[in-house]
Amino acid sequence: AQTVTQSQPEMSVQEAETVTLSCTYDTSENNYYLFWYKQPPSRQMILVIRQEAYKQQNATENRFSVNFQKAAKSFSLKISDSQLGDTAMYFCAFTSNSGGYQKVTFGIGTKLQVIP
Amino acid sequence: KAGVTQTPRYLIKTRGQQVTLSCSPISGHRSVSWYQQTPGQGLQFLFEYFSETQRNKGNFPGRFSGRQFSNSRSEMNVSTLELGDSALYLCASSLVSSGSNEQFFGPGTRLTVL
Repeated sequence: AQTVTQSQPEMSVQEAETVTLSCTYDTSENNYYLFWYKQPPSRQMILVIRQEAYKQQNATENRFSVNFQKAAKSFSLKISDSQLGDTAMYFCAFTSNSGGYQKVTFGIGTKLQVIP
Repeated sequence: KAGVTQTPRYLIKTRGQQVTLSCSPISGHRSVSWYQQTPGQGLQFLFEYFSETQRNKGNFPGRFSGRQFSNSRSEMNVSTLELGDSALYLCASSLVSSGSNEQFFGPGTRLTVL
């Protein structure tokens, strides 16, 4: 069974600074996908960034980038130039097509507070 | 395109009752997944439906069930409610049942069991 671990329940960062959220996972699969989702307070969860395990290059979306270390099974999210709108719960998620079925495993989440 | 919608947004029930939650996916999306979100457990996968068939199921008791209709709308039912069923229930849709696909989440149904 796959597991996803987010070891930082809460974090804070000053506006305009950089913060890194940690995520580790465990799987015996070789082909899988990793995601970071963001859930702002009282708002819907949205996708931040996605990484395919077969790609060595780290994914980047504007101020958001990941550090994907496949051998270490690590998938951290870096937020540069933090903005107040980045305040949210961040969930790391793992999914694969094992057996032809999609099953997503989420971490417990990291609550990020951006301080003005 | 309209996003994923869930009804009702809030529900208050008492122990022993049953409840039905509804989810309408984004138009054209055929996969609908359900999750239970609680502060201590994060998001727990309940089940996924694709083309009216349950494709995958999480580790929840049989009191939790669901179905999907031909228009891809999905319902989730919880029977004999327990206090521990209080949670935010999220539904997410994706184009197909594939791990590479982004999931689009609804706003959730907040269920409170008294």
